[in-house]
Amino acid sequence: QSALTQPPSASGSPGQSVTISCTGTASDVGAYDYVSWYQQHPGKAPKLMIYGVINRPSGVPDRFSGSKSGNTASLTVSGLQAEDEADYYCSSYADSSNVLFGGGTKLTVL
Amino acid sequence: EVHLVESGGGLVQPGGSLRLSCVVSGFSFSSHYMHWVRQAPGKGLVCVSRINFDGTKITYADSVKGRFTVSRDNANNTLYLQMNSLRADDTAIYYCAREMVVAGTDLDYWGQGTLVTVSS
Repeated sequence: QSALTQPPSASGSPGQSVTISCTGTASDVGAYDYVSWYQQHPGKAPKLMIYGVINRPSGVPDRFSGSKSGNTASLTVSGLQAEDEADYYCSSYADSSNVLFGGGTKLTVL
Repeated sequence: EVHLVESGGGLVQPGGSLRLSCVVSGFSFSSHYMHWVRQAPGKGLVCVSRINFDGTKITYADSVKGRFTVSRDNANNTLYLQMNSLRADDTAIYYCAREMVVAGTDLDYWGQGTLVTVSS
């Protein structure tokens, strides 16, 4: 049950775009289109931002988008805003009904 | 409106036990898989356990297998996590979360979390 791999940090200026990667294996990210992304502000519970690789829940701005290629999923935040500064976690379904999370990426808006 | 409220956390000595509860409202509890996810101080998220609609299909993280037991009471809209033989590395905020009904393991609603501290 190894965690998915994310870069520890990412940054961008307001208005710019930033992409966060999430690398797994052929037994999790590569095997299923069941990747989700969560945003977590300090002291708060995580919030679902993307599900099923590319889908946005109601209320999530369309500045947030997801994609996947092979064993790597990505979250792109376009038109960065100050309130986007947070920790972001990816998650994937894995073989044997396990659920894996990435180690998290701290997004800083410069 | 959907609500998930955890309780039962606190300070416990190594080797001790705690039972967490998560009372839900605003949705059909028996129609959703449920999860316990924990977050150690300053660390990332880890899925501790996942339970299906009626409690017949359960998975655990390797780190808690044999020590933690998840269960649910659909009549009373409550999810439980019985934690035994607690260790210092079990110290974390424990969240309960609802899995969406669509295929996958996406968690669309989370509680506010309950803090478990294992220390002598």
